[in-house]
Amino acid sequence: AQKITQTQPGMFVQEKEAVTLDCTYDTSDPSYGLFWYKQPSSGEMIFLIYQGSYDQQNATEGRYSLNFQKARKSANLVISASQLGDSAMYFCAMREGMGEAGSNYKLTFGKGTLLTVNP
Amino acid sequence: NAGVTQTPKFQVLKTGQSMTLQCAQDMNHEYMSWYRQDPGMGLRLIHYSVGAGITDQGEVPNGYNVSRSTTEDFPLRLLSAAPSQTSVYFCASSPTLGTGTNTEAFFGQGTRLTVV
Repeated sequence: AQKITQTQPGMFVQEKEAVTLDCTYDTSDPSYGLFWYKQPSSGEMIFLIYQGSYDQQNATEGRYSLNFQKARKSANLVISASQLGDSAMYFCAMREGMGEAGSNYKLTFGKGTLLTVNP
Repeated sequence: NAGVTQTPKFQVLKTGQSMTLQCAQDMNHEYMSWYRQDPGMGLRLIHYSVGAGITDQGEVPNGYNVSRSTTEDFPLRLLSAAPSQTSVYFCASSPTLGTGTNTEAFFGQGTRLTVV
């Protein structure tokens, strides 16, 4: 079974509108972290936002917020007021065993969602 | 601050050739890793290291070797290149994990490798 599932291969949004990119995850570890990265056409990986499994509140970073629903094992990325520069591939990733002795540093990535922002 | 530096950015190899992808970080991070990115597959972990002298296999290690003699450097060696190793390779580093800390991976710019 996939540990990270991104069900939307591609998404389109109008400029200035909000968009939600879906991510579901699978783990039996109570301690984990969820990450979103952006990959523009230039190819670099840009960290956007992080949510820890014990965090009580949803993470926010500027126009990015993470809709964390622990019971449903989902960690959707919400981008508000989309801009043309938001057009990129977006990856959800998980690190299990956060903060434990001998922690697992490994990131498991989803297959990504290609977001296109239309003017 | 350079962060994570990968060289080369582009490389074309012939089947059977060997080469080393270089990765260096100047953030004194203990953890370093190599991923490959293929269309429709996301990023998959090849090898990783939790410190100098310590390496381990990831999800897709076959055909690759690594070593970690210093904290700064983590080279990836292709022993005998195959067309299936055509991919974009990313090196990443992370600081030491602490309880509940946000320790995102910092990525290099990537190396686009073509094996013909």
